[in-house]
Amino acid sequence: EAGVAQSPRYKIIEKRQSVAFWCNPISGHATLYWYQQILGQGPKLLIQFQNNGVVDDSQLPKDRFSAERLKGVDSTLKIQPAKLEDSAVYLCASSLVGTGNEKLFFGSGTQLSVL
Amino acid sequence: GENVEQHPSTLSVQEGDSAVIKCTYSDSASNYFPWYKQELGKRPQLIIDIRSNVGEKKDQRIAVTLNKTAKHFSLHITETQPEDSAVYFCAVWGFNDYKLSFGAGTTVTVRA
Repeated sequence: EAGVAQSPRYKIIEKRQSVAFWCNPISGHATLYWYQQILGQGPKLLIQFQNNGVVDDSQLPKDRFSAERLKGVDSTLKIQPAKLEDSAVYLCASSLVGTGNEKLFFGSGTQLSVL
Repeated sequence: GENVEQHPSTLSVQEGDSAVIKCTYSDSASNYFPWYKQELGKRPQLIIDIRSNVGEKKDQRIAVTLNKTAKHFSLHITETQPEDSAVYFCAVWGFNDYKLSFGAGTTVTVRA
């Protein structure tokens, strides 16, 4: 089965610039997650979509981060403007239903460096 | 939200020995506890999980135990091999906040 696809793999930008990440979940998976993983820490949930609706975005810094999942499939995460502390790996994951006791499938992530 | 603490942060073991990682959580209603392995530069991958109605689960050299009363669960790796070297994350599905919260990770190094 095809996995979760993410792009780009790496991105280097200067602070105050904008950046966007793309994610294509496993076909048929209703739930999509964006996690931020800072070096040396566990993944932190930024936003969770159920189909094209937002389930949880309580930890998304909404003054600079935005995300959308049009048509309930692909998703984009945007940062505008970026700060130094946004340097991290951004992981996208998907699951079949989103009931909570199911396996999450992760993409390879986008490693963002903000200079 | 769910507070997940993971210990130790680093673990070095001799090849063939066992490794144990422990996690504690705060929400007594949490009901799903997966463990993910992340090799350097790669994606996290599920290696084993346990649900709240089970006390122990094994899969070859890997086992997970759950103590709901004490709100902690542990990952046990027996007969460690060099390919077990990685970062291991525990996670908890919070019944009340309805999301998967991760521990800070344990870097396991298996010495040949």
